Amino acid sequence: EAQVTQNPRYLITVTGKKLTVTCSQNMNHEYMSWYRQDPGLGLRQIYYSMNVEVTDKGDVPEGYKVSRKEKRNFPLILESPSPNQTSLYFCASSLSGAENIQYFGAGTRLSVL
Amino acid sequence: LAKTTQPISMDSYEGQEVNITCSHNNIATNDYITWYQQFPSQGPRFIIQGYKTKVTNEVASLFIPADRKSSTLSLPRVSLSDTAVYYCLVGDTNTGNQFYFGTGTSLTVIP
Repeated sequence: EAQVTQNPRYLITVTGKKLTVTCSQNMNHEYMSWYRQDPGLGLRQIYYSMNVEVTDKGDVPEGYKVSRKEKRNFPLILESPSPNQTSLYFCASSLSGAENIQYFGAGTRLSVL
Repeated sequence: LAKTTQPISMDSYEGQEVNITCSHNNIATNDYITWYQQFPSQGPRFIIQGYKTKVTNEVASLFIPADRKSSTLSLPRVSLSDTAVYYCLVGDTNTGNQFYFGTGTSLTVIP
């Protein structure tokens, strides 16, 4: 089954403790992206990747890192999480870039205390 | 940047046709218009995509005027299960494939 898998689905952590949210897709998609969703602000793009070893900043990249060492994986790294990064995070992938349909993961709900 | 503007919320009775309009005044020549549906605590799901004129699939229709500065998603005969947030998205090829979802339109279907 074609899917985008995020882990973990739920995470509670404390300020400053480094964490990684994994994202994997099995559709051989070139384009992958991370979004965060907050009440009243909709979905905002954090980082995206056009292909392996190519990443670019989205609308709200501060406090986040990503890497794309393999085509199927696109982890989101919070080196020193802060409470303002408490949010619902979604990973997505598409065949290529802007003209293609994005497929979303189920989401990761992160709470930073 | 091709950002979009949509109504924040809409209500409709079951069985009615619902039209949600999205404004995208700065759309670029190569940009497609895509609509997504999102239920609470789930990832957005693709509904329909178009470039110009009219596109129809089993779920919805998308109307795009000649100037492409707006688009209208049409949901025929909505049911309670269509209650969701609907996002209009314009891919911005000029900025290297960055996306702006905005806040979407929260549709509530009333029995």
